[in-house]
Amino acid sequence: QKEVEQNSGPLSVPEGAIASLNCTYSDRGSQSFFWYRQYSGKSPELIMFIYSNGDKEDGRFTAQLNKASQYVSLLIRDSQPSDSATYLCAVRDSSASKIIFGSGTRLSIRP
Amino acid sequence: GAGVSQSPSNKVTEKGKDVELRCDPISGHTALYWYRQSLGQGLEFLIYFQGNSAPDKSGLPSDRFSAERTGGSVSTLTIQRTQQEDSAVYLCASSLDSGGAYEQYFGPGTRLTVT
Repeated sequence: QKEVEQNSGPLSVPEGAIASLNCTYSDRGSQSFFWYRQYSGKSPELIMFIYSNGDKEDGRFTAQLNKASQYVSLLIRDSQPSDSATYLCAVRDSSASKIIFGSGTRLSIRP
Repeated sequence: GAGVSQSPSNKVTEKGKDVELRCDPISGHTALYWYRQSLGQGLEFLIYFQGNSAPDKSGLPSDRFSAERTGGSVSTLTIQRTQQEDSAVYLCASSLDSGGAYEQYFGPGTRLTVT
């Protein structure tokens, strides 16, 4: 059973600080990795995807991938109260081609 | 362009009735997924369609659940003889799944309440 593991949180971060969200995965062959943001009562929204080792930056968001350690992270700089949400890590299964989701980390940005 | 659409947005049904939930994927997307999310819980994978391949039904919780995808586009998830534990938000997502583009985009969901 291939798995994606996330700390459920809640992770509390002061406004303006860096929020760091982490995810590990079991499928060593995985090549595609995703971060989704889900506000309460809403559907998941894709915020980042990364397919190569290293860092990928988009505005205040940076995704980091380390395939050797089977670890992917999301950094949110200058955290805002509007960043308070559940963040879902997702990994594409290398053999079955479907996407496997972690259970999500609840992030709370305190003013 | 238009995103993934789902209908109805809300459905209240009596225990034992059948329901049909509809998903319209993004035009040109070959992959379509159904998930279920109970209150405060993570996403539960139900079924995955990819082009003309046989669907991956490994997540369907019982034989009361079925889904089809007609013409490689619209999909319908059917739940027969609904039970109270079927109450959840049912989410549909689609992805291009070619040229290395595997990002999924979600619809707004259908909130199903079984009374």
